[in-house]
Amino acid sequence: NAGVTQTPKFQVLKTGQSMTLQCAQDMNHNSMYWYRQDPGMGLRLIYYSASEGTTDKGEVPNGYNVSRLNKREFSLRLESAAPSQTSVYFCASTFLLNQPQHFGDGTRLSIL
Amino acid sequence: DQQVKQNSPSLSVQEGRISILNCDYTNSMFDYFLWYKKYPAEGPTFLISISSIKDKNEDGRFTVFLNKSAKHLSLHIVPSQPGDSAVYFCAASAYNNNDMRFGAGTRLTVKP
Repeated sequence: NAGVTQTPKFQVLKTGQSMTLQCAQDMNHNSMYWYRQDPGMGLRLIYYSASEGTTDKGEVPNGYNVSRLNKREFSLRLESAAPSQTSVYFCASTFLLNQPQHFGDGTRLSIL
Repeated sequence: DQQVKQNSPSLSVQEGRISILNCDYTNSMFDYFLWYKKYPAEGPTFLISISSIKDKNEDGRFTVFLNKSAKHLSLHIVPSQPGDSAVYFCAASAYNNNDMRFGAGTRLTVKP
């Protein structure tokens, strides 16, 4: 019963490098989300996908791109990493709006 | 702008006593509120929710209270147990809106 799986769990990048964070869910959920968590700031929504084939910007989308590859998978790409993108990234999913989101265990990303 | 605020970064209580965690919000469009619990190196897990048509929701030891006029909600844990020690996040969204806003979290420590 995997739920939401994120890979990798840890990554260190140099400024300017690119990286794709992977997320997959096995709960047949329609909506998927990417958040970042920074100290003292809670979780902030980067992008979401309400359904397969659609993506929309959240609160802090700058510097990121996303792809909803299929119903199960939603990836987050950093094209040119910057130190300000050092954070813990969480993927989440839900079957319907106004229902709780299920979270993965996060990817800890450090950019030097 | 931080639309959901948890003004207490930490709270310490004795085992068996009540824990009260507080959350304030500024957006009057919010009508769906949740509490998540987070252990280190894990993703947030859903604890309890409440919609704006209610002012109280109970689930076992956990009760959430909503005061819409004050734009305030609280989570009561009775009795508190050492296993409840975690970071608790308050979250809110408007009806049928994917943009969920989180507070910065309150670290609860329950002492044996």
